[in-house]
Amino acid sequence: DAGVIQSPRHEVTEMGQEVTLRCKPISGHDYLFWYRQTMMRGLELLIYFNNNVPIDDSGMPEDRFSAKMPNASFSTLKIQPSEPRDSAVYFCASSRPGTTHEQYFGPGTRLTVT
Amino acid sequence: RKEVEQDPGPFNVPEGATVAFNCTYSNSASQSFFWYRQDCRKEPKLLMSVYSSGNEDGRFTAQLNRASQYISLLIRDSKLSDSATYLCVVNLSRGNKLVFGAGTILRVKS
Repeated sequence: DAGVIQSPRHEVTEMGQEVTLRCKPISGHDYLFWYRQTMMRGLELLIYFNNNVPIDDSGMPEDRFSAKMPNASFSTLKIQPSEPRDSAVYFCASSRPGTTHEQYFGPGTRLTVT
Repeated sequence: RKEVEQDPGPFNVPEGATVAFNCTYSNSASQSFFWYRQDCRKEPKLLMSVYSSGNEDGRFTAQLNRASQYISLLIRDSKLSDSATYLCVVNLSRGNKLVFGAGTILRVKS
């Protein structure tokens, strides 16, 4: 069974450009989480969904960030406009009903904004 | 104060050594606790849950001290393949959010 799939794996963009990160959770998982990891701040939860509905977006840094989950098998995280301080590894994770502590992470998208 | 604090290390140990990491958490209402492992440039993966009574999984032993609000992970007979960053993780009483510590780096050398 395929794990969590993220694309692209690497993204290099210029400041001011729009960036869209994509995630396909594991089939049957009803929770989806977006995280950001940097050396300075570690792994931070940005937003999570349950059954495609955003539950907590308190970790989203600012209005430049938005996330959607139009169906159970797809989610996007968009940054518009991007800034150099957004450079990080962005992980998507999913979990089964009742086991939100056991999160399965995707390989991450390494974003560099120049 | 950070919600979850860990010694960043690195801990450099020889193969076969026993090594222990501690982690402290600030929210006394935290409900559940875990250790995740993250290899270099890879994604985090669940290593084990931490129960009040303590639990063991092979060479790994996890302990929880609620009174002092700390969690520990003990690795016996270290292997080269144990080299990784170990993330202490706390599930707060609200919702389904996990809070990750910054991680402790372990390097096992031959």
